[in-house]
Amino acid sequence: KAGVTQTPRYLIKTRGQQVTLSCSPISGHRSVSWYQQTPGQGLQFLFEYFSETQRNKGNFPGRFSGRQFSNSRSEMNVSTLELGDSALYLCASSLTDRAAYLDGYTFGSGTRLTVV
Amino acid sequence: GQQLNQSPQSMFIQEGEDVSMNCTSSSIFNTWLWYKQEPGEGPVLLIALYKAGELTSNGRLTAQFGITRKDSFLNISASIPSDVGIYFCAGLRVNDMRFGAGTRLTVKP
Repeated sequence: KAGVTQTPRYLIKTRGQQVTLSCSPISGHRSVSWYQQTPGQGLQFLFEYFSETQRNKGNFPGRFSGRQFSNSRSEMNVSTLELGDSALYLCASSLTDRAAYLDGYTFGSGTRLTVV
Repeated sequence: GQQLNQSPQSMFIQEGEDVSMNCTSSSIFNTWLWYKQEPGEGPVLLIALYKAGELTSNGRLTAQFGITRKDSFLNISASIPSDVGIYFCAGLRVNDMRFGAGTRLTVKP
């Protein structure tokens, strides 16, 4: 079965621009979580969506937002990009919420965002 | 929120050597997970631990859930070049999942 698909794989943006990243979960999975990964900070939780509702949110500024569609696909948006937003953005999907179904918590390959 | 304390940050070893890494926290977790991430890919689950004191193996990998529930250990025996990557621990409790910063493993042939 297809894994978690993230698009695009690579992205270069300029400071001040906005960006939208996409995540298609494993078929049948209803929960999608987003993480920011940087060398210095490791994996930082952004937010989790389940059945189109945001269930949990990490400690990121309001410039970071997301949504989930009825087919469970999710997008995250970062507005007014800053240099420090350069990172690998990972999404992970699971059948139920992330805290309850860890064996099936599967990561995508990520989108590498570079802000110049 | 506070991430887990994972050590060492990096390791350079010879092929055939054993590897140990650990993760500690000031808080109790109900589940510990170990992931491996290879360059250009997302983390892949290696081992899941659900009970304090539990020792679980997956091939050459062995992980333990600490008795205090505040730590976990991962050992890799007889390392091979394809073991290179970043290993992450993750701790889970109700509505909370935290990650370690990762241990970058380099294996010299």
